[in-house]
Amino acid sequence: DTAVSQTPKYLVTQMGNDKSIKCEQNLGHDTMYWYKQDSKKFLKIMFSYNNKELIINETVPNRFSPKSPDKAHLNLHINSLELGDSAVYFCASRQGESSNEQFFGPGTRLTVL
Amino acid sequence: GQNIDQPTEMTATEGAIVQINCTYQTSGFNGLFWYQQHAGEAPTFLSYNVLDGLEEKGRFSSFLSRSKGYSYLLLKELQMKDSASYLCAVRDQTGANNLFFGTGTRLTVIP
Repeated sequence: DTAVSQTPKYLVTQMGNDKSIKCEQNLGHDTMYWYKQDSKKFLKIMFSYNNKELIINETVPNRFSPKSPDKAHLNLHINSLELGDSAVYFCASRQGESSNEQFFGPGTRLTVL
Repeated sequence: GQNIDQPTEMTATEGAIVQINCTYQTSGFNGLFWYQQHAGEAPTFLSYNVLDGLEEKGRFSSFLSRSKGYSYLLLKELQMKDSASYLCAVRDQTGANNLFFGTGTRLTVIP
């Protein structure tokens, strides 16, 4: 009965490959997010998405693209992976504009070799 | 843009009280959050302040001064399990109401 789940938990891949990370929330939340946490533990917003719009942090390379097949899922696709993409990626969700709390998934540790 | 500062590391003794400070600069302040993150785990929500003053929740309290761009998280009766990183985050209306995090304060509780 995990609230926000991500797969895989660990992902090791070669430079130049394309990979995806899946995120699902069973909370019925309206808004979902992707964050990147680097080796210095700095947690940075990448995308926010609800059924109305996608907000992209301007610093995110266009090699990263979120895709939402339905309200409960927000998957992260990464093309042409680079060494600097190695990080932990967290998915999160929130119920509407009035809610303050974001619920985070367990994270996916991506290592690019 | 957003600028959030907090100390990198702190150490405190079991049973004691510790205060973790956070200063911020943001153009569209719409709330300040504290999250706890144990090593290798996801951040979990601790507290939210949008008005000036102190919010208390059990052993944890959070304070906000909007005029000073300042917040602190107060942890009382420290326990070993409180060893974690504590992340200060601001919600910014000009940033689509997204959360912008500081680098976190790693707290180590010693016996």
